[in-house]
Amino acid sequence: GENVEQHPSTLSVQEGDSAVIKCTYSDSASNYFPWYKQELGKGPQLIIDIRSNVGEKKDQRIAVTLNKTAKHFSLHITETQPEDSAVYFCAASISGNTPLVFGKGTRLSVIA
Amino acid sequence: DVKVTQSSRYLVKRTGEKVFLECVQDMDHENMFWYRQDPGLGLRLIYFSYDVKMKEKGDIPEGYSVSREKKERFSLILESASTNQTSMYLCASSPPVQGDTEAFFGQGTRLTVV
Repeated sequence: GENVEQHPSTLSVQEGDSAVIKCTYSDSASNYFPWYKQELGKGPQLIIDIRSNVGEKKDQRIAVTLNKTAKHFSLHITETQPEDSAVYFCAASISGNTPLVFGKGTRLSVIA
Repeated sequence: DVKVTQSSRYLVKRTGEKVFLECVQDMDHENMFWYRQDPGLGLRLIYFSYDVKMKEKGDIPEGYSVSREKKERFSLILESASTNQTSMYLCASSPPVQGDTEAFFGQGTRLTVV
């Protein structure tokens, strides 16, 4: 089955700097790659996703890139703010009725 | 807005007890999921369901069962709670995955088994 590896497990950045979180997946049939943000005391919430027919997607300060050949995808957050501090999860799935497989998560701390 | 509601935020149970975790969604989603979240291990899938009365095992089903008698409700059952089931439990729902769709999560139930 699918296996998703996520790095780093913790990341600290100064406010205003950029943060990058990387994930790799094992199943070349996977074609949907969402990113979730989990704030303290809450469930994960989708922040951005990308599909296999797209190489990059941007939404204001966040962007996701996908390299299908290398089977990796990354989350980029620019101009980080304290409210970006949270745990971020990447995930992958194969279209059709297959559940998401999640990475182990990255705890991002933005230091003011 | 999609709402996934888990019946309890915090739960403390004794070893050997039968425990029910309830989850209700209000968006008529076909798919529902139970995940377990542990530090350093991420989200691991316990069970999922694509329709009423249907259930599929996830990656770590041992010690758990589920029930889906109504479309909006998906229950996770710990037949005989053990201390290694102390964890955060997350329920999620999504529309049918004919392509790829967002999963909506509840706020989680933090279960402690003593």
